[in-house]
Amino acid sequence: DSGVTQTPKHLITATGQRVTLRCSPRSGDLSVYWYQQSLDQGLQFLIQYYNGEERAKGNILERFSAQQFPDLHSELNLSSLELGDSALYFCASTEDSGNNEQFFGPGTRLTVL
Amino acid sequence: DAKTTQPPSMDCAEGRAANLPCNHSTISGNEYVYWYRQIHSQGPQYIIHGLKNNETNEMASLIITEDRKSSTLILPHATLRDTAVYYCIVRVAWMRTGTASKLTFGTGTRLQVTL
Repeated sequence: DSGVTQTPKHLITATGQRVTLRCSPRSGDLSVYWYQQSLDQGLQFLIQYYNGEERAKGNILERFSAQQFPDLHSELNLSSLELGDSALYFCASTEDSGNNEQFFGPGTRLTVL
Repeated sequence: DAKTTQPPSMDCAEGRAANLPCNHSTISGNEYVYWYRQIHSQGPQYIIHGLKNNETNEMASLIITEDRKSSTLILPHATLRDTAVYYCIVRVAWMRTGTASKLTFGTGTRLQVTL
């Protein structure tokens, strides 16, 4: 158990819909990262937040957005969903120290039908 | 971040040492080598990291060549539970608060441990 929680575990929805994925980082971790893992693209970095502020962006689509709240939990919003958005979405957090280790949550499996 | 090259797959007999190679010939002086693994579809798990010296922890050992252009992850006594995809990642060093960087995953090595 990494200490990072993600909800829901599974999500099935239809094309065109909007969903929200939630992540609670380990206690005390200020940085949260979102990654997408699809069969054809592998594990890809989407976006990073640090203490409520966006810190880095990866290959995140404009239809996707994220935020980190004052209690440090984060949400990833996916809208106008397409079949190709079906993937595992992982959240990770880090204690932001010299070790720089990222702790990953169990992921949310999104299926778009 | 520097690019890494790993073999797509390897087999190892249970109880034997698993040696997973990684090439990172364009690594910069301020970049570390990190290893993560992903068991089935679980979240990736940190294994070990190093700069230039060999490192060992309870999970594995990391051997980095003197020129730092390649490294080897060693699982000393592989078990069936070590079957996973192993990712070698090169990543800039943490400098100060707020500078922790993303992980750039390649395709990794799929290690299959067999009886």
